[in-house]
Amino acid sequence: AQSVTQPDIHITVSEGASLELRCNYSYGATPYLFWYVQSPGQGLQLLLKYFSGDTLVQGIKGFEAEFKRSQSSFNLRKPSVHWSDAAEYFCAVGAGSGNFNKFYFGSGTKLNVKP
Amino acid sequence: DGGITQSPKYLFRKEGQNVTLSCEQNLNHDAMYWYRQDPGQGLRLIYYSQIVNDFQKGDIAEGYSVSREKKESFPLTVTSAQKNPTAFYLCASSIGAGRRNYGYTFGSGTRLTVV
Repeated sequence: AQSVTQPDIHITVSEGASLELRCNYSYGATPYLFWYVQSPGQGLQLLLKYFSGDTLVQGIKGFEAEFKRSQSSFNLRKPSVHWSDAAEYFCAVGAGSGNFNKFYFGSGTKLNVKP
Repeated sequence: DGGITQSPKYLFRKEGQNVTLSCEQNLNHDAMYWYRQDPGQGLRLIYYSQIVNDFQKGDIAEGYSVSREKKESFPLTVTSAQKNPTAFYLCASSIGAGRRNYGYTFGSGTRLTVV
């Protein structure tokens, strides 16, 4: 069965420090992978996506993610975190066949940024 | 600007009452989705619709109903049969529901509380 695991529920980093949020997925074929960010009380905004090709993808707000097939991972990174990055981050995998591509979401990682 | 509008932002329901959450999009997207979000559980799919006048149950459809009479609109009714309706509800849309899905566009959500 398809699934997405985000092992870290909460992460706290200092402003200016680097960030890595972990995401592992379970899916038999080549997945479509996404990272979303959610501010409190708001909807989700797409940060970046991976379909094929270069395994290092760049997104908005200075984020990047690397697809590692051998590890079934799609970790999100940012070299220097800003206070405005404090939010909840969701990894998702698009999986399926035929004419419906269902999304599976991880349970999210809440990022706190210390001044 | 195109986007998804959910209304109301906050909704209070009495026991035994049906309530309807609105979702409208002007993105000309074919597919629309309803998700429920509870703390620590990520997003769970309630219903989805790939085309007008067609919709399918997701993982947690019991106690919910939807309609898709227009491409732009996908309202969700939370019925009295839903025993634990207090949650944050997110509507999303995508260009197509098949393998060419380029990710979702989310609305800003409706927070439903039973009083």
